[in-house]
Amino acid sequence: SQKIEQNSEALNIQEGKTATLTCNYTNYSPAYLQWYRQDPGRGPVFLLLIRENEKEKRKERLKVTFDTTLKQSLFHITASQPADSATYLCAPAHTGGFKTIFGAGTRLFVKA
Amino acid sequence: DAGVIQSPRHEVTEMGQEVTLRCKPISGHDYLFWYRQTMMRGLELLIYFNNNVPIDDSGMPEDRFSAKMPNASFSTLKIQPSEPRDSAVYFCASSLTVIEGEQFFGPGTRLTVL
Repeated sequence: SQKIEQNSEALNIQEGKTATLTCNYTNYSPAYLQWYRQDPGRGPVFLLLIRENEKEKRKERLKVTFDTTLKQSLFHITASQPADSATYLCAPAHTGGFKTIFGAGTRLFVKA
Repeated sequence: DAGVIQSPRHEVTEMGQEVTLRCKPISGHDYLFWYRQTMMRGLELLIYFNNNVPIDDSGMPEDRFSAKMPNASFSTLKIQPSEPRDSAVYFCASSLTVIEGEQFFGPGTRLTVL
């Protein structure tokens, strides 16, 4: 069955460093993958989408890579700030693209 | 636009009672999704609609759960009878498209079944 894995343990980093979050998927080949941010008590908020034919996508301090051979996406936040502390969810598209499946998320803590 | 609106924000009920969660999607969005989020299972898609028609309800856990979308601006998720294991945060989301569509989530309804 299709499976999505994100770092289950929280990631703690110092302000100013680059945070790297991992999303691995198995048993399918999504045509695209989305990343969302979720703050406590709130719904997820869309950040970025990357397609299978795109190796890398950037938006301000965010960078996402998509390696279809490794079946992995990496999400980077450069020059991290305490305000970046949140849970980050990866969401690869289901086969056919008619729905997305969310990973469990990785909790990021950025310390000042 | 006010974004996706959900009500109530919190619901506490007793086992066996009927629970109705409500959602108003963003105007003009053709797709509406219902999700359930728990610590154990993460964010699970329950059902989604396109132009008010249910398209995929394979995530609905059992017959106790039902969802309707009588018009483009309103949807309900009903649990009857409710059980303690239904305790979770239920999110509604809407999007313009489903393929590559950015989903806009509501604030969620935190359901506690005692």
